[in-house]
Amino acid sequence: AQSVTQLDSQVPVFEEAPVELRCNYSSSVSVYLFWYVQYPNQGLQLLLKYLSGSTLVKGINGFEAEFNKSQTSFHLRKPSVHISDTAEYFCALNAGGTSYGKLTFGQGTILTVHP
Amino acid sequence: GAVVSQHPSWVICKSGTSVKIECRSLDFQATTMFWYRQFPKQSLMLMATSNEGSKATYEQGVEKDKFLINHASLTLSTLTVTSAHPEDSSFYICSAPDSSGGSTDTQYFGPGTRLTVL
Repeated sequence: AQSVTQLDSQVPVFEEAPVELRCNYSSSVSVYLFWYVQYPNQGLQLLLKYLSGSTLVKGINGFEAEFNKSQTSFHLRKPSVHISDTAEYFCALNAGGTSYGKLTFGQGTILTVHP
Repeated sequence: GAVVSQHPSWVICKSGTSVKIECRSLDFQATTMFWYRQFPKQSLMLMATSNEGSKATYEQGVEKDKFLINHASLTLSTLTVTSAHPEDSSFYICSAPDSSGGSTDTQYFGPGTRLTVL
């Protein structure tokens, strides 16, 4: 079985400050990792995904994440946040193989950017 | 990008009644769709995989007779909560992959349906 843990349920930051949203996972098999963002009253939207290759993945809106296999982590970062980044962020994994598109999600992190 | 819609966005019903939730892929075809459930302040939990033209695959612990799934076309999957009870109150979200439904596909999510059972 696999699991995803998002270490912070809420992260408040000031505008233009850097931010890191932490995600750790557990799996006995190789995984694919995803970060999704959910704005109020909207569906989840893909920010970025790690499938293979370079461990540093760049996504939309200036976000990036680094896959660290030894620490089983996939932390999301942005060097300078905007008010519009206020949303809930979900880390998710797919265990591959016969998992097809099924995702295991973390609990979510609410990012609030203050002016 | 691809768009997935859900209808209704919210519904309130009496205990014992059935509620149908629709999930539509608006500009692409989806042979596979996924249904998730989200309790307040908790993560999304996969309930079932909806397969066009065949039976849905349910995750362990999900009652297939209570949560009926029908994937009648390449753009529509429905989830019917039968004989709903207050403990079924939750946020139901569907997703559809942009390709064949493989592990590396991007999932497109609907905006969710808030079900409240009185």
